[in-house]
Amino acid sequence: GQNIDQPTEMTATEGAIVQINCTYQTSGFNGLFWYQQHAGEAPTFLSYNVLDGLEEKGRFSSFLSRSKGYSYLLLKELQMKDSASYLCAVMDSNYQLIWGAGTKLIIKP
Amino acid sequence: EPEVTQTPSHQVTQMGQEVILRCVPISNHLYFYWYRQILGQKVEFLVSFYNNEISEKSEIFDDQFSVERPDGSNFTLKIRSTKLEDSAMYFCASRHNLYRGNTEAFFGQGTRLTVV
Repeated sequence: GQNIDQPTEMTATEGAIVQINCTYQTSGFNGLFWYQQHAGEAPTFLSYNVLDGLEEKGRFSSFLSRSKGYSYLLLKELQMKDSASYLCAVMDSNYQLIWGAGTKLIIKP
Repeated sequence: EPEVTQTPSHQVTQMGQEVILRCVPISNHLYFYWYRQILGQKVEFLVSFYNNEISEKSEIFDDQFSVERPDGSNFTLKIRSTKLEDSAMYFCASRHNLYRGNTEAFFGQGTRLTVV
């Protein structure tokens, strides 16, 4: 079956760094996405990885290891507005997005 | 900036009634999707649509559901005979194409469906 695992909840301090991990087992792989979702709102795109390595975009970076079925999202210089759920999603061989359950990130002052 | 728009933002319906959720994808996008998210749960794929036909659908997308692109701009999800468990946030998304650099799916703001 297809499976995406990420921690349910994480807590971090304003100004700090946090890493959210995601492991996946899917039928085929056409890229991994990270989305941010605030409560009651639509997911918004953060990053896309299809090759191994690190993609950096401002305060956010995303890493992929296809051989390990592993990705992480790194958030630096955390701000209170970063409190949200972070969704890992993998595009499988049929180009469907398979979603993880999301990691709720709580930022404390 | 182009965006996906969904209407209504919130719909309340009685159990057994039919609802139609509407979406206007980004104009030059070719692939359209419906997802749902039950409160507190993960986003679930319902259906994908390309070239005026369904390309993929999940187990959730049974005979109760149908999609249509009635004109060049709208993309609708119809739920016949709604059940209490259909209460969820329904997201429409569109994607330009499947090639790298253009694979981001843009989401609408969602329609919150409440079945009573």
